Amino acid sequence: QKEVEQNSGPLSVPEGAIASLNCTYSDRVSQSFFWYRQYSGKSPELIMSIYSNGDKEDGRFTAQLNKASQYVSLLIRDSQPSDSATYLCALTDSWGKFQFGAGTQVVVTP
Amino acid sequence: EAQVTQNPRYLITVTGKKLTVTCSQNMNHEYMSWYRQDPGLGLRQIYYSMNVEVTDKGDVPEGYKVSRKEKRNFPLILESPSPNQTSLYFCASSLSSSASYNEQFFGPGTRLTVL
Repeated sequence: QKEVEQNSGPLSVPEGAIASLNCTYSDRVSQSFFWYRQYSGKSPELIMSIYSNGDKEDGRFTAQLNKASQYVSLLIRDSQPSDSATYLCALTDSWGKFQFGAGTQVVVTP
Repeated sequence: EAQVTQNPRYLITVTGKKLTVTCSQNMNHEYMSWYRQDPGLGLRQIYYSMNVEVTDKGDVPEGYKVSRKEKRNFPLILESPSPNQTSLYFCASSLSSSASYNEQFFGPGTRLTVL
């Protein structure tokens, strides 16, 4: 059973709308959580990191973490065509081991 | 410019021919890691290093070796490559493995094909 689950998509979002991405994980000792954006053929780039329960906002992005439900999400407000990419959920424990989800493809349509 | 560099960016080789992919960072980061990315499987961690001379296995270490003799360098070695190691490889680094300092920065990737 995959330990970090994401819906593969594609998630089609009209320009200007909110994109909602979800990620569930199975390892309860996970401490740090990340969202990366990856354009086709490029390397992942960090969008958000979140370490405690609740919401964290950075510009048009909001990450939400619920450790009890083992759930982390990303909201993208006012979606732009440049947001079209694959979004990777990642987490790590305190021993340095990282796990990534397979990613959700987002397509923002004009 | 702060960055993670990998070389080569593209490599086509044959089964059994030893190869090394280099990774270097100029940010004085303690933590470095190697991943492979395959369609539908996402990024999978091969090996990671919390500091010089300290390395640990990730989820898919079989067929790979690493070393960390210097802080800035973390080469990935394939002693006897096989076709199932054809993949896109990424090196990444972070300040440390501690929370709030473990945001990883990725290199540009190395596309390896083993015939």
